[in-house]
Amino acid sequence: SQTIHQWPATLVQPVGSPLSLECTVEGTSNPNLYWYRQAAGRGLQLLFYSVGIGQISSEVPQNLSASRPQDRQFILSSKKLLLSDSGFYLCAFRGDNNEKLFFGSGTQLSVL
Amino acid sequence: GNSVTQMEGPVTLSEEAFLTINCTYTATGYPSLFWYVQYPGEGLQLLLKATKADDKGSNKGFEATYRKETTSFHLEKGSVQVSDSAVYFCALIRNTDKLIFGTGTRLQVFP
Repeated sequence: SQTIHQWPATLVQPVGSPLSLECTVEGTSNPNLYWYRQAAGRGLQLLFYSVGIGQISSEVPQNLSASRPQDRQFILSSKKLLLSDSGFYLCAFRGDNNEKLFFGSGTQLSVL
Repeated sequence: GNSVTQMEGPVTLSEEAFLTINCTYTATGYPSLFWYVQYPGEGLQLLLKATKADDKGSNKGFEATYRKETTSFHLEKGSVQVSDSAVYFCALIRNTDKLIFGTGTRLQVFP
């Protein structure tokens, strides 16, 4: 079965510190991978998506970056966090030509 | 561009009340439409979907009909339960790999 794992579940980081959120997918090959952010009072915003290893598309300019070092691994990073980076981050994948997205359980990031 | 607008929450209801959460969209052509649900402490799950005009998606007692004439996909349930308390997201996809989400509507159901 297709599953997605995202960690950590919660994270509290000081301003200016680095960030690394990891997401892995099982049970599918060559999935499309996505990072979404849900900020307080706002909807889900697509940050990055990837259709293959090393292929990253950025939807909005920001302080974050994404990488896909392996087919089923997607990493969200920052060199120096800002207060405005606080939010709920969700990783997702779509495989097998299915429009449906499968979401991870999310990471609640608080930048203080 | 493509966008989704849904009613602001929170929506607060008593158990067994009727639920409507409004959703309208802007898109060229014929997008596919979705409702996702996020229960407390969990990730998003697909609740229902409709891929063409007049289609009705349904699941767990929830329904939504794809209305092209009004560009709407309102979510309804005849009798809500406390366990339906969650955040509901309307979304569309149109010829791309990207789901476009609305802002989400929090539903709170009290016994």
